[in-house]
Amino acid sequence: KNEVEQSPQNLTAQEGEFITINCSYSVGISALHWLQQHPGGGIVSLFMLSSGKKKHGRLIATINIQEKHSSLHITASHPRDSAVYICAVRSERRRGATNKLIFGTGTLLAVQP
Amino acid sequence: DVKVTQSSRYLVKRTGEKVFLECVQDMDHENMFWYRQDPGLGLRLIYFSYDVKMKEKGDIPEGYSVSREKKERFSLILESASTNQTSMYLCASSLWSRTGELFFGEGSRLTVL
Repeated sequence: KNEVEQSPQNLTAQEGEFITINCSYSVGISALHWLQQHPGGGIVSLFMLSSGKKKHGRLIATINIQEKHSSLHITASHPRDSAVYICAVRSERRRGATNKLIFGTGTLLAVQP
Repeated sequence: DVKVTQSSRYLVKRTGEKVFLECVQDMDHENMFWYRQDPGLGLRLIYFSYDVKMKEKGDIPEGYSVSREKKERFSLILESASTNQTSMYLCASSLWSRTGELFFGEGSRLTVL
């Protein structure tokens, strides 16, 4: 079982719909990242969370540390939101270990006009 | 504007060739990373560097080496390329902090024939 699981793997939505992408993890973390990758492009960091909720434009990210779960919401979705959305967690630092990221496999979102 | 620059977007090499992938960041970040991204597997860490001349193996270091002679530059080396190293390679950097935000390059798509 992967340490970071995303759902759904694929998502098709109509323009204007409210979208939710979920991320569950099984390790202790110091932070969770939501990343966006457009086809053929590099990866852009959307949010970095360690608690609560963050909002940027039409994007909202929430995290529940006790339940080890995070959600990324897109309000009033648009075709330009079509991309792969990746959840990554930064594992808690252990003595002598590298504080590294563990990635989910991503959610492919297609927003149709 | 912060920037991580990878030297080549697309490369085609032959089996057995030596391949250099270069990454430069202009943010004075301590941490630099090399990942490979494959369909269904997500991003996997190859090597990580937390300071000049310092490196740590990631999850899949076999067949790769790295070099960090200057803080801003992190190179990935394939000593003898093989077809199973055909992949998208992504470089990233971050500050040395508990929750450092990640900045990614545009990626280098390597095909080994």
